[in-house]
Parts: sequence; C-alpha cells; structure tokens
Amino acid sequence: NAGVMQNPRHLVRRRGQEARLRCSPMKGHSHVYWYRQLPEEGLKFMVYLQKENIIDESGMPKERFSAEFPKEGPSILRIQQVVRGDSAAYFCASSPPGQGAQATEAFFGQGTRLTVV
Amino acid sequence: AQSVSQHNHHVILSEAASLELGCNYSYGGTVNLFWYVQYPGQHLQLLLKYFSGDPLVKGIKGFEAEFIKSKFSFNLRKPSVQWSDTAEYFCAVTRLSSNTGKLIFGQGTTLQVKP
Repeated sequence: NAGVMQNPRHLVRRRGQEARLRCSPMKGHSHVYWYRQLPEEGLKFMVYLQKENIIDESGMPKERFSAEFPKEGPSILRIQQVVRGDSAAYFCASSPPGQGAQATEAFFGQGTRLTVV
Repeated sequence: AQSVSQHNHHVILSEAASLELGCNYSYGGTVNLFWYVQYPGQHLQLLLKYFSGDPLVKGIKGFEAEFIKSKFSFNLRKPSVQWSDTAEYFCAVTRLSSNTGKLIFGQGTTLQVKP
C-alpha cells in the first residue's frame, strides 16, 4: 500500500507565476489535509477536504490560494501569482473515512518544497 | 492566544544521554495528543499518540510520553538516545470540539545526537 504521494518534491516558480501542488492520499483514504511549514516554524493547518467538499479552510490565506479534492484524481493546492513569502514546505496528510475528529492517525506525504524566486 | 508550545527549539545530546522534550498546550476541552518525528529528507511519522486511558504512552523506537492533564503537558522522553534519533520532533493536538481532526502543531524541536 503506497503512502501519501506528493509531487513535485521541489518546485521553483518566479514571482507572479502559478504553483500547483498535488497530493494522492493513501488508498482508501477520503480525508485530505494540507499544512504549510514556513522556515523556522512548525506546520500550520491550511485546509481539510473530503471528496468534492471543502470541510474547513480556516487556515487558507484569503487570496490567491485554493484547494480541491475531486471525485477522481489527486487533491490540488493551487497558489496563484506566487510571492516570495509563499516559499515554504507544503505537506499533505490523509486519513480514512469516518474519522474526522476521531482520527487515530493522519499519514503524511514527503512534502513539496516551493521556492519563489 | 491558544497554542501548542515546545520549549526547546534545538537540543544537542551525546549518545546514551536521556531525552525529555517539553510540550504544553493551552486549549480547554478534550484533546488528542501526538508526537511526530521528521527524519532528514523524510515525511512526518507518528511516534506515539494519546487519546484516553493510561496517561503514560509508549511509542515506537523506545519513546514514551506522559500526559499530565493538570499541567496541560505531554512531554516526550527516551532514556537513552542514539545517533539515529537525530531529527525534528513535533508535538501536535487535535481538538474534539473542532470535529475535523486537523492537527495543531508546536514549532518543533531539532534534536542533534552526537556519536
């Protein structure tokens, strides 16, 4: 059973470009979480999605950031018009259905390191 | 502000030394508690978790943590560290009231074990 797969592992974008980060959850998992780790800081929650639904986006910046988890395919975190401050490691985690607040464990991907130049 | 705090940002130990990493949270209500480890270049892995029951929790690789409700603490311990324990350690909390399972992380502690 493959783990949580994120790609790309490293992404370099120029200011003003778009960044698309992909996350394929573990097989059978229908809950996806995105977290951001800024340099010298801990991971910060961004968004929680289930298939075709955004459940909690309280950690998402109000502008330029969006996330989706379609019925088919990976979850996508999209950052439009990137700025230097978006440079960070973005981690995806997944958990099985029916867990939510009772989640026993979220499984993490290896992250995508975004560098904005 | 409500948060999860890890007191030690960078810890350096020699092999065989004992380890204790502090973690405090400031949320009321019922919480689930976790310690994750991130080895260089790898993904976060769960070391141990506490949901209920015995407040002394044993995890993988010889780690344990004790939940002290009155102190809002969940400190991580290991009696004798190894060079391979060099990694970043994160304490995290989920709040049952949020009903989402989202993790609230501390800022992390970098552990460097000298051979």
